[in-house]
Amino acid sequence: QKEVEQNSGPLSVPEGAIASLNCTYSDRGSQSFFWYRQYSGKSPELIMSIYSNGDKEDGRFTAQLNKASQYVSLLIRDSQPSDSATYLCAVDSGGGADGLTFGKGTHLIIQP
Amino acid sequence: IAGITQAPTSQILAAGRRMTLRCTQDMRHNAMYWYRQDLGLGLRLIHYSNTAGTTGKGEVPDGYSVSRANTDDFPLTLASAVPSQTSVYFCASSDSTETGVNEQFFGPGTRLTVL
Repeated sequence: QKEVEQNSGPLSVPEGAIASLNCTYSDRGSQSFFWYRQYSGKSPELIMSIYSNGDKEDGRFTAQLNKASQYVSLLIRDSQPSDSATYLCAVDSGGGADGLTFGKGTHLIIQP
Repeated sequence: IAGITQAPTSQILAAGRRMTLRCTQDMRHNAMYWYRQDLGLGLRLIHYSNTAGTTGKGEVPDGYSVSRANTDDFPLTLASAVPSQTSVYFCASSDSTETGVNEQFFGPGTRLTVL
């Protein structure tokens, strides 16, 4: 059974601070990792993907991957109230076009 | 408009009725997926299709069927709906043959209530 674990939160962060979201996964053969943002009542939106160990930066977002520790994280710098959402970690273990395994998500609240 | 469309947006259905949820994408992605999202359980894969003419079972396929007659459409059918199928259903697609990675893009979802 492939599992992806996230702290459900809520994680409360002051505006302008760095929000740190974490995710662990069980399948050591996992190859691709994704972060989705989901606003209440809306569909998941892909914001970051990462495939190699280390950091990947895109604007205010940085994804970090450590395959040895089976750990993925997402950092959001200069957090804005509009970043308040649920963040879903997803893992692709198949290496092909089969489904992703999703964590249950972390609810992030940015306090103005 | 490029992207994924789903219909209906929401539906209330009597138990035992048959229902087809529609999903269409115009991005020419090879792969399509159906997920359900339930509070406390997250997103779970129902069925997927790697390419037109092929389908596969996901984590929770019982009570659902799919078909992939062409690249663009991937309907999900509930043959005889039960209350436990009350959920939000998301269709997604990816172009893994072009990129080699499985970045999936989601439709707006269908909220289904089975009474």
